Amino acid sequence: GNSVTQMEGPVTLSEEAFLTINCTYTATGYPSLFWYVQYPGEGLQLLLKATKADDKGSNKGFEATYRKETTSFHLEKGSVQVSDSAVYFCALITSGTYKYIFGTGTRLKVLA
Amino acid sequence: EAGVAQSPRYKIIEKRQSVAFWCNPISGHATLYWYQQILGQGPKLLIQFQNNGVVDDSQLPKDRFSAERLKGVDSTLKIQPAKLEDSAVYLCASSLDTEAFFGQGTRLTVV
Repeated sequence: GNSVTQMEGPVTLSEEAFLTINCTYTATGYPSLFWYVQYPGEGLQLLLKATKADDKGSNKGFEATYRKETTSFHLEKGSVQVSDSAVYFCALITSGTYKYIFGTGTRLKVLA
Repeated sequence: EAGVAQSPRYKIIEKRQSVAFWCNPISGHATLYWYQQILGQGPKLLIQFQNNGVVDDSQLPKDRFSAERLKGVDSTLKIQPAKLEDSAVYLCASSLDTEAFFGQGTRLTVV
């Protein structure tokens, strides 16, 4: 079946450090891929998405590239801020179903 | 644009009691989801509606959970009777196409 695997957290970084959160997926067909972010006490918010191979999603300095050959969608940011501290979820939907499948989430803590 | 509204934000009940959650999706969104998010885990789909029809309820524990979406707009999720393991955040989301918009969730504690 379809699934998403994320690197386990927590990830603790100093401000301005480089961030990578790994995400790989298993899916039939051609899924769309997403990163959602959840700040403390809030619901999930879409951070970025990519709908086909080689697409790069970007938002707020975060980027992720849809790599079909490695079935990956790793999240990166060149310089993290304290305000980026949150839980990040990788997710996919398969074409036609609009059924989201989420990874387990990776908690990021950025220290000043 | 108003977001997805959920109520209540928090609920504490004793095991074997019943509880209901309410969700008002973004206007015009045909697809509505209910997810269960247990602490430290990713959201797990309980049920997905397309307008007022059920698309997927394969992971809904139907002996105790029920959900409805009358008139294809608002939705309620009910648990009866609740168990300790039902303690979680219940998230409602809606979508028009591929992007889902989430509410703030209802945190349920079963004691």
